[in-house]
Amino acid sequence: DTAVSQTPKYLVTQMGNDKSIKCEQNLGHDTMYWYKQDSKKFLKIMFSYNNKELIINETVPNRFSPKSPDKAHLNLHINSLELGDSAVYFCASSQGGRNYGYTFGSGTRLTVV
Amino acid sequence: GQQVMQIPQYQHVQEGEDFTTYCNSSTTLSNIQWYKQRPGGHPVFLIQLVKSGEVKKQKRLTFQFGEAKKNSSLHITATQTTDVGTYFCGTNFGNEKLTFGTGTRLTIIP
Repeated sequence: DTAVSQTPKYLVTQMGNDKSIKCEQNLGHDTMYWYKQDSKKFLKIMFSYNNKELIINETVPNRFSPKSPDKAHLNLHINSLELGDSAVYFCASSQGGRNYGYTFGSGTRLTVV
Repeated sequence: GQQVMQIPQYQHVQEGEDFTTYCNSSTTLSNIQWYKQRPGGHPVFLIQLVKSGEVKKQKRLTFQFGEAKKNSSLHITATQTTDVGTYFCGTNFGNEKLTFGTGTRLTIIP
């Protein structure tokens, strides 16, 4: 049983296209996140939802739009993809608050050509 | 913005040697978490420390939180090839988001 599952695992697309990444967790956690990991391995938070409500929205281009239909799902839609969007995108979940570790999905490697 | 510095960036050790990575902040931290990411994998939560001077052990791994709660370390005794990966610290800085350090990439020379 995969705790946090992301699809697709790999995504290769052309500049200018629109793409989505899906994430689902079966841990019963209230909070879900999107992180971006660049080629230097820096992990940077993009968004966080708590029980379907957006609670963190970092300085991310508005071409990126998260959607949480319910607390078990958090999807990421990216419009007009650019070369600089190439990275690994990780979904994560936690019980919420500051005292719980995060459970990460296996990541989506996005390559924009 | 607030950040936590992690050193060294890279560490190459002979198998059987010890390894230590450090996280430092200029501000007092409410907590520190440690994660391990294997090559090609995803970050996996190892532990959280919240108390000043706290020390926790997991087999060959020892985690410490400084007395002033501004630094933390992860020490691995007698490294093995399975320890290869990038180790990240992370902290909430008292808010809802987990900010990660820059990571230390450990490679083991057999």
